[in-house]
Amino acid sequence: GAVVSQHPSWVICKSGTSVKIECRSLDFQATTMFWYRQFPKQSLMLMATSNEGSKATYEQGVEKDKFLINHASLTLSTLTVTSAHPEDSSFYICSASFRGGRQAFFGQGTRLTVV
Amino acid sequence: AQKITQTQPGMFVQEKEAVTLDCTYDTSDPSYGLFWYKQPSSGEMIFLIYQGSYDQQNATEGRYSLNFQKARKSANLVISASQLGDSAMYFCAMREVVTGNQFYFGTGTSLTVIP
Repeated sequence: GAVVSQHPSWVICKSGTSVKIECRSLDFQATTMFWYRQFPKQSLMLMATSNEGSKATYEQGVEKDKFLINHASLTLSTLTVTSAHPEDSSFYICSASFRGGRQAFFGQGTRLTVV
Repeated sequence: AQKITQTQPGMFVQEKEAVTLDCTYDTSDPSYGLFWYKQPSSGEMIFLIYQGSYDQQNATEGRYSLNFQKARKSANLVISASQLGDSAMYFCAMREVVTGNQFYFGTGTSLTVIP
């Protein structure tokens, strides 16, 4: 099956700093990538959808200036949490799909802790 | 309205028994796909099974089968011969073909397999 690699798997950062999370499709061209946030014991909350070469579409309530998403190539999307605060601590997970494909393939997730 | 509803926050099943996890969905799109994912404590999302809205037969993948009742808009997951390794969160999801991109996830069911 298709493989999506997300890095890092966990990160601890100081409040006020920025953190970049990478999501790579290893064996297919990801025309669409999704970024989710998940709080403990809750469902995945879609943050944004990005199509290669175009700006990400953010869900209502998600600050686009705080959560910068870049999908510059067909195999890489990045999520940058800018000026992180403790309330940004969460599990972030990406998924990717290709044109005509029916399912999305998930990365391993990144556990972000802001101290 | 919720696109995907999972009404069982937690379920217990005896090892080697079968268990059904409920999922109902809401869509006006005639073409859609239904998915089940497993999320163990490690956080990764593992694809289990897919059912297309036009599929005549219920999907099966090893010990997983999907009880698709289109008129009732339900897509229950049946796990047969439960194993201890099946203990995890299970998410039902839907993707509408017309709107194309977004996956809608349910709130999840936490399954615990008892030895």
